[in-house]
Parts: sequence; structure tokens; C-alpha cells
Amino acid sequence: QVQLKESGPGLVQPSQTLSLTCTVSGFSLTSYNVHWVRQPPGKGLEWMGRMRYNGDTSYNSALKSRLSISRDTSKNQVFLKMNSLQTDDTGTYYCTRGQVFDYWGQGVMVTVSS
Amino acid sequence: DVVLTQTPPTLSATIGQSVSISCRSSQSLLHSNGNTYLHWLLQRPGQSPQLLIYLVSRLESGVPNRFSGSGSGTDFTLKISGVEAEDLGVYYCVQGTHAPFTFGSGTKLEIK
Repeated sequence: QVQLKESGPGLVQPSQTLSLTCTVSGFSLTSYNVHWVRQPPGKGLEWMGRMRYNGDTSYNSALKSRLSISRDTSKNQVFLKMNSLQTDDTGTYYCTRGQVFDYWGQGVMVTVSS
Repeated sequence: DVVLTQTPPTLSATIGQSVSISCRSSQSLLHSNGNTYLHWLLQRPGQSPQLLIYLVSRLESGVPNRFSGSGSGTDFTLKISGVEAEDLGVYYCVQGTHAPFTFGSGTKLEIK
């Protein structure tokens, strides 16, 4: 069955770089897009960026200068790297599949704090 | 970037009541391929979002048919015909037509 699972550090220091991994199963990264979405505590959802099935990427305009999304199709993994983290980057980070966002991971909580 | 304006921000309903949520886009969501990539999600408390309706009006598998979606161009509506207790949570519209993609600000449904 289709699954997505986010992993990464729960705590990151301000000004440091966040690295997250989305490991997928039940589908191929060369057939489906994968998005990263985040949610600050108690707030709404924010689309961060996308890895297309063909390897192309798109990014949120406000995050573009700090964000990079890549993948390893042999390991069924999509990666997120975001630098210069600040406290307002604290939140839950999700990966989700496809053109219609049909499957979501459980999310990983990231706290930016010294 | 496309802005999705969701109203109302909160909704209080009794069991069995029918309710509607509006999502208005700052530009048409009709893609050049003929599809309109406007979808509706529900995020129950403490859970990940889940897809309810995709491509404006198509019901995701396993979602009760009391949920329905309609609209075109820039105006879209999610309707729940007969709210049940399990429907509480925050509803989001999301557009996947124009990158960067965007979410509405959410509508919190409370059960009276």
C-alpha cells in the first residue's frame, strides 16, 4: 500500500540547516510528484515545494532562496534542505503525493531553538 | 502567486445540519490541459490532512457521499449534507494548477 514517512531531527538551532527525508513505498517517484508542506503550531498549511516525477522542482516564492528539494529514486526518498532556519520555521513538516495530494505522511515536528 | 480565500473561518453546526464552505481564487484554476486542480482536505485534530474531494467535484475513495464539491474558474464550494460528529476539524482548499501551489487559510468546523 502507499505510504510516505518523514524523518529528520526534532531540534535545530537557529541559523542552521534543516535536512528532512521522505521515504515512500507503494509507488514510484518516477511516476508521481511529491510535495513538502509545513504547518506552524496552531496555524494553517503552507506549500513549500515539489519534486516532479521527471526530476523537475518548484518552490514556494517566499522560501525559494533557502530551500532545496532533491531525490534518490533508487532509495525511494525525497529530501528537503532548508538553510538559515529561524524560530518561525518551527512546525510540523509533511510530505504528500501526487497532483491531488492523495496520501500524506504522519509528519515530523521540527523545533528551531537554541 | 494564487491566493485562495476561504470563508467562513469558523463554522458551528449541529449534527444533521448541512453546511457549505467557500473557496475563491485570485485567478482561474482551469489548467491548459482542461483540468481544474482544486481539491479539498480535512485535517482532524492531531492528524495529518486527508483528501476528501479532488478536481473540484470527485469524491476520494472511502469518503462518505455526504461530502460534495462544486464550482469552476475562481469560485468553489464544499458542501456537507448532514454533518456528523466525525466531521469536526479544519477544512482546506488547495490549488495545484499554478505553481507555486497554495492552500486556503482553513475553515474550522465545530460541532454544537
